[in-house]
Amino acid sequence: QVQLQESGPGLVKPSETLSLTCAVSGYSITSGYYWGWIRQPPGKGLEWIGNIYHSGSTYYNPSLKSRVTISVDTSKNQFSLKLSSVTAADTAVYYCARDKSGYDYGYADYWGQGTLVTVSS
Amino acid sequence: EIVLTQSPGTLSLSPGERASLSCRASQSVSNSYLVWYQQKPGQAPRLLIYGASSRATGIPDRFSGSGSGTDFTLTISRLEPEDFAVYYCQQYGSSPLTFGGGTKVEIK
Repeated sequence: QVQLQESGPGLVKPSETLSLTCAVSGYSITSGYYWGWIRQPPGKGLEWIGNIYHSGSTYYNPSLKSRVTISVDTSKNQFSLKLSSVTAADTAVYYCARDKSGYDYGYADYWGQGTLVTVSS
Repeated sequence: EIVLTQSPGTLSLSPGERASLSCRASQSVSNSYLVWYQQKPGQAPRLLIYGASSRATGIPDRFSGSGSGTDFTLTISRLEPEDFAVYYCQQYGSSPLTFGGGTKVEIK
């Protein structure tokens, strides 16, 4: 059974960098698929942030590309998200997920439980 | 960017009734690369349908998806108590990936 677990600070100050990690269990990241981040502001809809393959190949949402870095650590079977220059608009529940499509961007079949990140001073 | 518009915003139905949820795209979704998710309060979304009409693993057959081009539908043939939730469509035919705004299915 594939399981994903997000971790990281729940509070980030404006203009700083949000950093989250997703630990994957039950499946080796190097076995395939892209792995991604999706967010959901409180009470609102979903936004796909980006994906990464174990080789380091990435897909980023163009609207966030200038501020996003996704990286992978195959030795720890985990991947990470960095979002720079955050504002209150970046307050959201952040989910990590497995992209089932087999392409660099697609859809998610396994999701983490999500972690709320609040941007506030 | 493909904009997905879901309707209605809220659907009020009773258990046992049939639900039809619409997802309309601002331009054609290539290869019918559209999925549906179900989300309950405090939970992550759950994949229901991919490729517009293929059920994901473990999804009951009362859930079905149809459509192509710009018009897609999720149908729940007979609502069970656990089906009351918010449903989102998402397209993966072109970048950026985009989601619809969601349809809430509530108990009447």
